[in-house]
Amino acid sequence: DQQVKQNSPSLSVQEGRISILNCDYTNSMFDYFLWYKKYPAEGPTFLISISSIKDKNEDGRFTVFLNKSAKHLSLHIVPSQPGDSAVYFCAASSSNFGNEKLTFGTGTRLTIIP
Amino acid sequence: DSGVTQTPKHLITATGQRVTLRCSPRSGDLSVYWYQQSLDQGLQFLIQYYNGEERAKGNILERFSAQQFPDLHSELNLSSLELGDSALYFCASRAIENYGYTFGSGTRLTVV
Repeated sequence: DQQVKQNSPSLSVQEGRISILNCDYTNSMFDYFLWYKKYPAEGPTFLISISSIKDKNEDGRFTVFLNKSAKHLSLHIVPSQPGDSAVYFCAASSSNFGNEKLTFGTGTRLTIIP
Repeated sequence: DSGVTQTPKHLITATGQRVTLRCSPRSGDLSVYWYQQSLDQGLQFLIQYYNGEERAKGNILERFSAQQFPDLHSELNLSSLELGDSALYFCASRAIENYGYTFGSGTRLTVV
């Protein structure tokens, strides 16, 4: 049962344009969401997060949007740069479960075309 | 350097063997998490330890076990290895006040 889904395995975007990565979740108990970025031969690194009490969080070129009614979140990167080429994982957590386990999606490989 | 250290980086072993993966969390982090990433798969949660005690269990096979020692480093033991166990194994640690994890660079296990 995949509770966090990233339906696009890959995405190619021209340098300078906006990259939009999508994530859907099924568990309504999730109340905290994160995006991680992963380069080859490295572990995932934290990028940006959002609590369910917000619908938007911005950090520089990165913005995460949360639509609770649709159980959907998205990561916007603008403008996209070649260094953004990586695999992006969406993750979710629930404070109601008494643990801090993150449930990850399967990832989207983003390629920025120069 | 994320502060989470995993050794070894690469491991090649034969089916039926047993291996031990090691993880040292960031200084001060009490929680350690183990995740498995198989080819084209997401990160699958295996197990969590908090200050030496098992806190949560995910899709961890009975052939796999883990522990966290008093110095907070953790070991993941994989036994009776099968070809399908070939994967990247990540360890992560977490500070109590944060939701986010800090990951190590992983151990790539290849079972031949």
